[in-house]
Amino acid sequence: AQSVAQPEDQVNVAEGNPLTVKCTYSVSGNPYLFWYVQYPNRGLQFLLKYITGDNLVKGSYGFEAEFNKSQTSFHLKKPSALVSDSALYFCAVSGGGYNKLIFGAGTRLAVHP
Amino acid sequence: EAGVAQSPRYKIIEKRQSVAFWCNPISGHATLYWYQQILGQGPKLLIQFQNNGVVDDSQLPKDRFSAERLKGVDSTLKIQPAKLEDSAVYLCASSSSGRGHNEQFFGPGTRLTVL
Repeated sequence: AQSVAQPEDQVNVAEGNPLTVKCTYSVSGNPYLFWYVQYPNRGLQFLLKYITGDNLVKGSYGFEAEFNKSQTSFHLKKPSALVSDSALYFCAVSGGGYNKLIFGAGTRLAVHP
Repeated sequence: EAGVAQSPRYKIIEKRQSVAFWCNPISGHATLYWYQQILGQGPKLLIQFQNNGVVDDSQLPKDRFSAERLKGVDSTLKIQPAKLEDSAVYLCASSSSGRGHNEQFFGPGTRLTVL
């Protein structure tokens, strides 16, 4: 069965510092991995995805994520955090084909001025 | 390009009442999803349509929840009768195909409160 774990309920970082939001997954076969962001009272917005190829994936708003097959991880990163990055971040995995997308519980990112 | 539209944005009902949510996906998107997002949790898939056929409804509580997408475009999700534990945000999403590598585009959601 597919599963996603986001081990941190909240991540706090100072503006201008690098940020990392962690995600590990379990899926049979090759995974399709996604990061979505949710701002208050809004739906989820797609940030980036890993399908195949280069392990470092770049996405919207300066975010990137690194796929590590041996550690079954897909951590979200940004070199320099902005206060406006404060939101709820969800990692999700699909096993491919028409397999459904399984979401983690989410990590709240708080960037302090 | 217009996004996924949902209505209403908020709904408050009493338990045992019925409620319906509406979703209009992005034009041309064949696949439509309904998710339930309980506070503090990630979205959970309730049902997935490919055009007007159901691909996956394994987590839909069929004794009280129903959904349809009659013309392969917009969709309605209904709850009858509602229970307290149905309080959640109901998200609609669409994608160009149901393949696992396609990103999904989400609407703003309907926040349901059952009293």
